[in-house]
Amino acid sequence: AQSVTQLDSQVPVFEEAPVELRCNYSSSVSVYLFWYVQYPNQGLQLLLKYLSGSTLVESINGFEAEFNKSQTSFHLRKPSVHISDTAEYFCAVSDRFTGNQFYFGTGTSLTVIP
Amino acid sequence: DAGITQSPRHKVTETGTPVTLRCHQTENHRYMYWYRQDPGHGLRLIHYSYGVKDTDKGEVSDGYSVSRSKTEDFLLTLESATSSQTSVYFCAIRSTGEETQYFGPGTRLLVL
Repeated sequence: AQSVTQLDSQVPVFEEAPVELRCNYSSSVSVYLFWYVQYPNQGLQLLLKYLSGSTLVESINGFEAEFNKSQTSFHLRKPSVHISDTAEYFCAVSDRFTGNQFYFGTGTSLTVIP
Repeated sequence: DAGITQSPRHKVTETGTPVTLRCHQTENHRYMYWYRQDPGHGLRLIHYSYGVKDTDKGEVSDGYSVSRSKTEDFLLTLESATSSQTSVYFCAIRSTGEETQYFGPGTRLLVL
């Protein structure tokens, strides 16, 4: 089974500053990688995903993540955060060949300070 | 919006009582999942289904059972609720050939 580590449980950052949320996973077998965002009292929304192809993937609201196979990482970045980015962020991985089970990290709470 | 609803959205119950949570989808997705979300644990898979009457256990299945008698509904039952099952429960769906899971709005369950 996979395990996913999100090293930072809470990340405070000032508005318009850059941010990086870290995610590492355990296995080097072929994987699919995802970032989900959860706003208070809501379900999880897909932010971006890596399935194949370019290792750099982007979301429509300015986030990007890079798949690094050698370091088994999928860190999420944004060059300039907004107040509206305040939320919980979850990294998830699934095995490319079995695919049924998603393994989630414990989440990172991003707080954007005005 | 992936056409997923969960009911009830909130429930308070007592230890030892049975509880059933319902996940309903409108878009004929093959795969359905039940997760629980707890602080410090992220989301953990309870059970999943890969078709009508086809289900399998996840990471934290003890104390839970599921049923899927038709494509659109996936039921999660706590036969005898315990306080450790106080949690937020999320349903998710996935289509064949689609690698992404899409989540419902969640059910907040409190077991007293």
